[in-house]
Amino acid sequence: GENVEQHPSTLSVQEGDSAVIKCTYSDSASNYFPWYKQELGKRPQLIIDIRSNVGEKKDQRIAVTLNKTAKHFSLHITETQPEDSAVYFCAASTNDMRFGAGTRLTVKP
Amino acid sequence: DGGITQSPKYLFRKEGQNVTLSCEQNLNHDAMYWYRQDPGQGLRLIYYSQIVNDFQKGDIAEGYSVSREKKESFPLTVTSAQKNPTAFYLCASSSGVGATYEQYFGPGTRLTVT
Repeated sequence: GENVEQHPSTLSVQEGDSAVIKCTYSDSASNYFPWYKQELGKRPQLIIDIRSNVGEKKDQRIAVTLNKTAKHFSLHITETQPEDSAVYFCAASTNDMRFGAGTRLTVKP
Repeated sequence: DGGITQSPKYLFRKEGQNVTLSCEQNLNHDAMYWYRQDPGQGLRLIYYSQIVNDFQKGDIAEGYSVSREKKESFPLTVTSAQKNPTAFYLCASSSGVGATYEQYFGPGTRLTVT
């Protein structure tokens, strides 16, 4: 089955800096790659996703890149703000979804 | 935000007791999922259902059971056979069959077994 690895497990940046979270997956048949944000005590919510026929997608300060050959994808957050502090999960799916272990991002004001 | 609900928010049980966690959605979604969340381990899939009266095991189904008698409801029973049941349980639903659709999560139930 699919195996998703996510790095780093914790990330601390200064407000205004960029943050990058990386994930690798094992199943070359995976074709959908969402990123979820989970604030403390709240449910995970989708922030951006990408499908396998696209290499990059951007939405304001967040972007995701996908390298199908290398089987890795990354989340990029620019101009980070304290409200970006949360746990971020990547996932990869074919018939069912597999999540990475999560990255706890802390943005220091 | 009220599209998918879970109850209760906190649940306490004694070891050896079965307990059922509720998950209801009014989004008219076909697919529903149960995940377990432990610190540092992300979300692990317990069971999922793509259609009424049908469901499949995920990666950690042992000690759990589900039913899908109605499209709106996908209850999870944590049985006494589950060796380490204390965890945060998340239910999710998606509009399409298969996992290439956005999953909407409920608020979760934190189960503590002592």
